[in-house]
Amino acid sequence: DVKVTQSSRYLVKRTGEKVFLECVQDMDHENMFWYRQDPGLGLRLIYFSYDVKMKEKGDIPEGYSVSREKKERFSLILESASTNQTSMYLCASSVGAPTFNGYTFGSGTRLTVV
Amino acid sequence: DAKTTQPTSMDCAEGRAANLPCNHSTISGNEYVYWYRQIHSQGPQYIIHGLKNNETNEMASLIITEDRKSSTLILPHATLRDTAVYYCIVRPNVNQAGTALIFGKGTTLSVSS
Repeated sequence: DVKVTQSSRYLVKRTGEKVFLECVQDMDHENMFWYRQDPGLGLRLIYFSYDVKMKEKGDIPEGYSVSREKKERFSLILESASTNQTSMYLCASSVGAPTFNGYTFGSGTRLTVV
Repeated sequence: DAKTTQPTSMDCAEGRAANLPCNHSTISGNEYVYWYRQIHSQGPQYIIHGLKNNETNEMASLIITEDRKSSTLILPHATLRDTAVYYCIVRPNVNQAGTALIFGKGTTLSVSS
């Protein structure tokens, strides 16, 4: 069964900590994405990547960075965690060009920053 | 700016058809209509997509109007497990920089017995 796996289901971190959220997919997908989801705001795109070592900013990249050193792994980095980054974080992947065939999402990481 | 408009919530009785509408009056000729759903505490799940013809798969049917300005997702026999938030999204069927899926707030479908 194809999968997008997020390393932690629940995570609690302190304000100011550097936080790494890991996402791994086993489908050989070229594209990977990070979203956050908050009540009343829906899913918002943070960053995405169309290839190894490539990244594109989404709608809300401030306070985040990403790393894609290998095709199967896409990491979201909170350089200095703040309480307003408490959220559900969702990773997704999809096949590359030319045809878009939908996203496969992970189960999410619920991050609490205290 | 939102490219789709969906009702905030809908109710459906178990066993009945659930018809979820979506307006996308500014859809471009190369944009497809995609539907996803998200069950509580899980990641979104792909349901179906289409360009201009009606589509059906094991999960649902998608009816797109002839002018393509609106569509309806049909769950023919809703079950309690279909209770979820349903998202209607339009985007081109190609991969280009800047064309990641953009989710709106969706429709919360509540199926009751």
